[in-house]
Amino acid sequence: KQEVTQIPAALSVPEGENLVLNCSFTDSAIYNLQWFRQDPGKGLTSLLLIQSSQREQTSGRLNASLDKSSGRSTLYIAASQPGDSATYLCAVRKGHSGAGSYQLTFGKGTKLSVIP
Amino acid sequence: DAGVIQSPRHEVTEMGQEVTLRCKPISGHDYLFWYRQTMMRGLELLIYFNNNVPIDDSGMPEDRFSAKMPNASFSTLKIQPSEPRDSAVYFCASTSGASDGELFFGEGSRLTVL
Repeated sequence: KQEVTQIPAALSVPEGENLVLNCSFTDSAIYNLQWFRQDPGKGLTSLLLIQSSQREQTSGRLNASLDKSSGRSTLYIAASQPGDSATYLCAVRKGHSGAGSYQLTFGKGTKLSVIP
Repeated sequence: DAGVIQSPRHEVTEMGQEVTLRCKPISGHDYLFWYRQTMMRGLELLIYFNNNVPIDDSGMPEDRFSAKMPNASFSTLKIQPSEPRDSAVYFCASTSGASDGELFFGEGSRLTVL
């Protein structure tokens, strides 16, 4: 059974700092990995999706990397801003084909606070 | 597109009452997922549909929970009878099988069972 772990559970940084959020998973047979952002009382917003064949994806100040063999992904946020404060979740999708492959397993998230 | 639309956003009910949560997926998406989020357990997949057909309901907690998708633009998650331990935020999400599988979530329905 796939397990996804995100450490730390919470992180507080001063504005302007670069930071890295970590995600690890136990089964390396994944199809892709997604990073989401969740604001309080809101749904999840997809930030980046990395296919299993890719090493990284970038969107603006965000960069996500994937090392499938070691079961790890990182989300790098450059020049953090107070508006980046949210909970960040990673989710992995099963690697086999067929209907079951659409299941995502989520980590519990890292709650980020960027202090002005 | 309006995104995934869920209703109600908040529901407070008493133990034993029936609860119905509703979801409208993004037009053109052929996969629909119901998730439950709690502080203790995080996000858990309850059930998902492909082309309106339930594919995997192994995450549905017990017989008190049921889900239907009568057509491509509407799904319901019903709890009958509700219990306090069902209190959680219930999310609906959708994606297209023709895409890279990026999942789009609704704003969620926060359920409180007293």
